[in-house]
Amino acid sequence: EAGVAQSPRYKIIEKRQSVAFWCNPISGHATLYWYQQILGQGPKLLIQFQNNGVVDDSQLPKDRFSAERLKGVDSTLKIQPAKLEDSAVYLCASSPGAGTGSREQYFGPGTRLTVT
Amino acid sequence: AQSVTQLDSQVPVFEEAPVELRCNYSSSVSVYLFWYVQYPNQGLQLLLKYLSGSTLVKGINGFEAEFNKSQTSFHLRKPSVHISDTAEYFCAVSEIRGNTPLVFGKGTRLSVIA
Repeated sequence: EAGVAQSPRYKIIEKRQSVAFWCNPISGHATLYWYQQILGQGPKLLIQFQNNGVVDDSQLPKDRFSAERLKGVDSTLKIQPAKLEDSAVYLCASSPGAGTGSREQYFGPGTRLTVT
Repeated sequence: AQSVTQLDSQVPVFEEAPVELRCNYSSSVSVYLFWYVQYPNQGLQLLLKYLSGSTLVKGINGFEAEFNKSQTSFHLRKPSVHISDTAEYFCAVSEIRGNTPLVFGKGTRLSVIA
């Protein structure tokens, strides 16, 4: 089966510009996550969707970050305006969802963002 | 809330030698435990997971881990490493209830030396 797809793989922008990342989860997976991985650290959850509803966005900096998952499939994560500290790898993951018994999350290759 | 501590940020080891990567966690509720591996410029790949049952869990690529509830540890081991095992390894936990996200440690960089 196809894995989690993300694009672009790399992005370089100047501070105060905006950027958007796209994620296509594994077909049929109800739960989708966006994680931020800063260099030298483990991934940290930004937002979790169950189908097209938000389950947890408590760690999303809502003054500049936004995310949506229209129709419960693809998702986009946007940063506007970007700051230097947003330089990181943004990972998208999906899982079958609650009630399926599977707790494994499947990760995409990530988007490496550099803010200059 | 949960937290994960990976005690070693870097572990160098000679090829064919054994290795142990240490992981301790803290949680007020029961958790599931995971080890993920990340190769350069790639996403995370699941090595193994502990959900219930036997505390010794076997994963891919010859890795295994042992869950120790009294010591709140989940150390990863491999009896003989290869050059191809060079990567970043992350320990993670998630609450048993619902479909909660993963909480990761900071990672351990395993460098296998020829």
